[in-house]
Amino acid sequence: GNSVTQMEGPVTLSEEAFLTINCTYTATGYPSLFWYVQYPGEGLQLLLKATKADDKGSNKGFEATYRKETTSFHLEKGSVQVSDSAVYFCALSSSSASKIIFGSGTRLSIRP
Amino acid sequence: DAGVIQSPRHEVTEMGQEVTLRCKPISGHDYLFWYRQTMMRGLELLIYFNNNVPIDDSGMPEDRFSAKMPNASFSTLKIQPSEPRDSAVYFCASRLPDRGRFGELFFGEGSRLTVL
Repeated sequence: GNSVTQMEGPVTLSEEAFLTINCTYTATGYPSLFWYVQYPGEGLQLLLKATKADDKGSNKGFEATYRKETTSFHLEKGSVQVSDSAVYFCALSSSSASKIIFGSGTRLSIRP
Repeated sequence: DAGVIQSPRHEVTEMGQEVTLRCKPISGHDYLFWYRQTMMRGLELLIYFNNNVPIDDSGMPEDRFSAKMPNASFSTLKIQPSEPRDSAVYFCASRLPDRGRFGELFFGEGSRLTVL
């Protein structure tokens, strides 16, 4: 079946450091891929998405590229801020169903 | 525009009691999803509806759980009887129609359930 695996947290970085959160997936067909972010006490919200191979999603300085050959969708940001502290979820939507499957989430903490 | 509205935000109850969680999706959205979030299992899809009809309830943990969507603007998730292992944050999310696999989910703020 379809699944998403992302790196375990928590991840702690200093402000202005480079961020990578790894995500790999298993799916049949051609899924769409997403990164969602959850700030403390809130629901998830979409951060970025990519709908086909080699697409790059970007938002708020975050980027992720849909790599079909490595079945990956790693999240990156060149210079993190304290306000980026949150839980990040990688997710996929299969081509044969309407539901979205989430990874386990990675908690990110940024030190001033 | 109002987002997805969930109630109650917090619920503390005793084992064996009935719990009802409520959700009002964004107007015009025709998909509605119920998720459960715990530290151990992360974010699990319980059930989802399309045009008020349940499409996939394979994630509902057992017969104690039931969900209904009597109309396009209201859904409930009921647990009867509740058990301590049901303690979690329950999220409702909705999605625009005709967006297939590209659609963005809009989440409510969640209902935090504690069963003593």
